[in-house]
Amino acid sequence: EVQLLESGGGLVQPGGSLRLSCAASGFTFSNYGMSWVRQAPGKGLEWVSGISGSDGSTYYADSVKGRFTVSRDNSKNTLYLEMNSLRAEDTAVYYCAKPAREWLWNPDSWGQGTLVTVSS
Amino acid sequence: QTVVTQEPSFSVSPGGTVTLTCGLSSGSVSINYYPSWYQQTPGQAPRTLIYSTNTRSSGVPDRFSGSILGNKAALTITGAQADDESDYYCVLYMGSGISVFGGGTKLTVL
Repeated sequence: EVQLLESGGGLVQPGGSLRLSCAASGFTFSNYGMSWVRQAPGKGLEWVSGISGSDGSTYYADSVKGRFTVSRDNSKNTLYLEMNSLRAEDTAVYYCAKPAREWLWNPDSWGQGTLVTVSS
Repeated sequence: QTVVTQEPSFSVSPGGTVTLTCGLSSGSVSINYYPSWYQQTPGQAPRTLIYSTNTRSSGVPDRFSGSILGNKAALTITGAQADDESDYYCVLYMGSGISVFGGGTKLTVL
């Protein structure tokens, strides 16, 4: 059974940094591209970032480019999202997600999410 | 910047059929966008219904189906039930590692 478990969320001041983690199990982690998706309070889903399984290529939404860094440690089956220069508008639940097949990209399996609150 | 469009709201009668759509502000949706559909209720993580246009995710009943209708991706729900009342989101793969979600459709069953 696929399991994705996010951690690392919390309260941070504007301009601060936070690192999210996603522990994966139940599949061959290194074979899959992985994504981070967020949802601000009362708003819709927003794809934030992704990283390929094969060569670790990284991709970002314009809203976070230059501030967020996605990475992975295939030896630990863990996905990360390093968030810097945080803004109030980054406040959201952040989900880790995996596609259904190795050659797909859009999310299929989801974690339970971790809440990031950016506020002074 | 390309925007993915969805109906903001829709209503369906219990037992009825409804089709939600997912389009592009510019251009047509095709299978090459690998459209996926998600159901979400407040406070819960999204639940995947359909991926790659028309493949049902694990455990999803066949009341839910995906397709391309004209120039849009479509999610059809047949035999609507009260617990289908949720927010529905689509996502399109734009290529070059980028995906974009639609704004979501709030479905009311009444």
